[in-house]
Amino acid sequence: QTVVTQEPSFSVSPGGTVTLTCGLNSGSVSTTYYPNWFQQTPGQAPRTLIYSTNTRSSGVPDRFSGSILGNKAALTITGAQADDESIYYCVLYVGRGIWVFGEGTKVTVL
Amino acid sequence: EVELVESGGGLVQPGGSLRLSCAASGFSLSRYWMHWARQAPGKGLVWVSRLNDDGSVATYADSVKGRFTISRDNAKNTLYLQMNNLRAEETAVYYCVSSTSMVKWNIWGRGTLVTVSS
Repeated sequence: QTVVTQEPSFSVSPGGTVTLTCGLNSGSVSTTYYPNWFQQTPGQAPRTLIYSTNTRSSGVPDRFSGSILGNKAALTITGAQADDESIYYCVLYVGRGIWVFGEGTKVTVL
Repeated sequence: EVELVESGGGLVQPGGSLRLSCAASGFSLSRYWMHWARQAPGKGLVWVSRLNDDGSVATYADSVKGRFTISRDNAKNTLYLQMNNLRAEETAVYYCVSSTSMVKWNIWGRGTLVTVSS
C-alpha cells in the first residue's frame, strides 16, 4: 500500500522560510508523480497552490514555490506571513488513475 | 464567478445510499477531468474517485470500489457521486475538484457533509 509522508507540523517566524516535504513510504518522488499542493485553513475548503511539481495556481503569491528536493516533492514558503498559518497537503499520482494524499503538515507562524 | 457547488449531502443510515452532485458555474465542466475527495471530521484529505473529461474512464480508491460510482452530465455541467452501502467511517465532507488535464488540480468546491449514522 502506498503511503505519502508529510511532516506533522512546522513552526516558522514571520518573514522566515520553511520547506515542507512530500515523500513515499517506498521509493522516490519524481515529476512523474505530478505533485500538487494545497492550503487549508480551519473551516474552509482547500485551495490549490501548486500543480505538476512547480507551477503556481492562478492568484497564488510567488512566496510559494514547488520543487523536487532529493527524493521528495517540496513546498517552500519564503517570507512567511501570518495568514500562511494553515494545514498544507500534497497529493501524488501513483499510477493506474490513482491519487494518494499525504496526511498534511500544520504550519504555525510565530 | 468560477465555482463548484456540491449538494446532496445529509444524514443516512449505515448501509444506505446517497447521490452527491457538483454543479459548475462560470466555466464548462466538459473541458476538465474531475475528482471527488473527502475529509472526515478533524482528519486529513482522502482521494475518492476521478473521471475523465468525457466520462468514459473512472478510477476509484480501493476503499470505495464497487460501492461508489462517479459520473457526469456535461450538458447539465454537473458531476455526480453515487454512494451505496455507506459505512459510519465514511462520515465526511465530500469535495469535488476540477483538474486541468489529467494531472493539474484546480478549483475546489465548498464541500457537502455526509453523515452516516443510525
